[in-house]
Amino acid sequence: GDSVTQMEGPVTLSEEAFLTINCTYTATGYPSLFWYVQYPGEGLQLLLKATKADDKGSNKGFEATYRKETTSFHLEKGSVQVSDSAVYFCALNPYPSGSARQLTFGSGTQLTVLP
Amino acid sequence: SAVISQKPSRDICQRGTSLTIQCQVDSQVTMMFWYRQQPGQSLTLIATANQGSEATYESGFVIDKFPISRPNLTFSTLTVSNMSPEDSSIYLCSVAPGLGFYNEQFFGPGTRLTVL
Repeated sequence: GDSVTQMEGPVTLSEEAFLTINCTYTATGYPSLFWYVQYPGEGLQLLLKATKADDKGSNKGFEATYRKETTSFHLEKGSVQVSDSAVYFCALNPYPSGSARQLTFGSGTQLTVLP
Repeated sequence: SAVISQKPSRDICQRGTSLTIQCQVDSQVTMMFWYRQQPGQSLTLIATANQGSEATYESGFVIDKFPISRPNLTFSTLTVSNMSPEDSSIYLCSVAPGLGFYNEQFFGPGTRLTVL
């Protein structure tokens, strides 16, 4: 079945450090890929998405590129801030854009950024 | 995107009681989902709430424990029945935007449930 594997946390960084959170997936066909962020005490917010191979999603300084050859969708940010401290979830919709299906989530990665 | 609200935002309940959680969306949507997030864990889909018909439950979740209503295209409820401490979780409503095709989902703020 479909699955998403994220790097284990927690991840602790100093402000202005470079961030990478690894995400790999298993799915048949051409899934859509997402990163969601959950700030303390809140629900999930869609951070970015990519719907086909080589697409790059970007938002708020975060980027992720859909790599079909390595089945990966790693999240990166060049300079993190204390306000980026949150839990980050990688997720996939196993069907191509336009198909209504539930999402499969990774286990989440807790990021703490220290001043 | 859609604006999603949930009520209550949190509750503390006694074992054996039931709690109904409401999810309201500011626009009509075809697809609504209910997820559970146990402490420190990822999200697990409970069911898809279908408008005008019975919800579609995932493996491990049953209608008697988690009855769901979806009376229209902007509203759904999830009831957690005969609660035990193991039901302590965050319950999240999500929607796929609009009435047509989609691939992302947007989430409500969640309901934080503690069962004593």
